[in-house]
Amino acid sequence: GENVEQHPSTLSVQEGDSAVIKCTYSDSASNYFPWYKQELGKRPQLIIDIRSNVGEKKDQRIAVTLNKTAKHFSLHITETQPEDSAVYFCAASGGSRLNNNDMRFGAGTRLTVKP
Amino acid sequence: NAGVTQTPKFQVLKTGQSMTLQCAQDMNHNSMYWYRQDPGMGLRLIYYSASEGTTDKGEVPNGYNVSRLNKREFSLRLESAAPSQTSVYFCASLVTKSSSNYGYTFGSGTRLTVV
Repeated sequence: GENVEQHPSTLSVQEGDSAVIKCTYSDSASNYFPWYKQELGKRPQLIIDIRSNVGEKKDQRIAVTLNKTAKHFSLHITETQPEDSAVYFCAASGGSRLNNNDMRFGAGTRLTVKP
Repeated sequence: NAGVTQTPKFQVLKTGQSMTLQCAQDMNHNSMYWYRQDPGMGLRLIYYSASEGTTDKGEVPNGYNVSRLNKREFSLRLESAAPSQTSVYFCASLVTKSSSNYGYTFGSGTRLTVV
């Protein structure tokens, strides 16, 4: 089955700096890679996702890159703000199957943005 | 449109007690899931239901049972609670569009403590 590793486990940056979180996956058949943001005491919420047919996707200050050959994908947050402070989870799955039961999550990265 | 609704939000059980966590979604999604979240371990799949009338085990099913009561509702039951089941539990449903997966919508979570 799929195994997803996420690094770093904690990340602290100054407001305005960039933050990068990296994930690797093991199953070469995985083709859907979502990222979730979870604020303290709240539910995880999907913030961006990428499929294996594209290498990069951007949405305002966040972007995700995918390297299928190396089986890793990364979340990039530019111009960080205190409200970006949260735990971020990456995940990987086969994507094309409607039940998506093969989705596996990374262990999470706690991002702290210091004012 | 409430999304995914979970009850209760908090629960304290004594070892050996039983309880049922309720989950309902109003988005007409076919697939529903139960995850548990433990510090440093990300989200682990307990059980899922690909469609009404079907359920299957995930990564960590031991000690749990589920019921897909109808398309809207998917409940998780702990028959004899153990301290190892102390965790935050999330229900989720899968967003699909044109036969492609678009990630989960999560409920607000249930914080369960077993003493």
